[in-house]
Amino acid sequence: KNEVEQSPQNLTAQEGEFITINCSYSVGISALHWLQQHPGGGIVSLFMLSSGKKKHGRLIATINIQEKHSSLHITASHPRDSAVYICAAGTGTASKLTFGTGTRLQVTL
Amino acid sequence: KAGVTQTPRYLIKTRGQQVTLSCSPISGHRSVSWYQQTPGQGLQFLFEYFSETQRNKGNFPGRFSGRQFSNSRSEMNVSTLELGDSALYLCASSPMGTGGLETQYFGPGTRLLVL
Repeated sequence: KNEVEQSPQNLTAQEGEFITINCSYSVGISALHWLQQHPGGGIVSLFMLSSGKKKHGRLIATINIQEKHSSLHITASHPRDSAVYICAAGTGTASKLTFGTGTRLQVTL
Repeated sequence: KAGVTQTPRYLIKTRGQQVTLSCSPISGHRSVSWYQQTPGQGLQFLFEYFSETQRNKGNFPGRFSGRQFSNSRSEMNVSTLELGDSALYLCASSPMGTGGLETQYFGPGTRLLVL
């Protein structure tokens, strides 16, 4: 069993739909990261959170420490949101991230 | 500030050769981490350097090594290349690298193909 698991693996949505991507982890974490990777390969950090909820534009990330679960929500999805979304657990005292397998999102018109 | 840069962006090598990849972090960032991304294994942590010292290492063979210079630039080296080393190699920098509690800023990656 992977230490960080994501679901779903693939997701297709129509423009305007509300999207949820889930992440469960089995390790103790210092922080949970949500990353976005576009087809060219570059990775952008979306959120880093260790408790509660964060919002940036149409993106919302939540984490439940007791249940070891985090969600990434996208409201009013748009084709430009099409990317791979990866959650990663930050653990220990160094910058080592353990990654989920990613969720490939495609938003169509 | 300029972002994280990686050179070269693309590289083709043959089995048995060695390769050196370079990463220049954001100015002022002292922690540089390296990751390997393959279709089969996804993203995996290679190692992290902070103030010229390797602070953490992932589960990779000794053929994978790295170093960090006094200006925080980092290099990683893979010796005796194998076909399975074909991957996207990403580096990421952060100011202090404190326990995953900092946002990491990723470079564009170096895509290595081993023939």
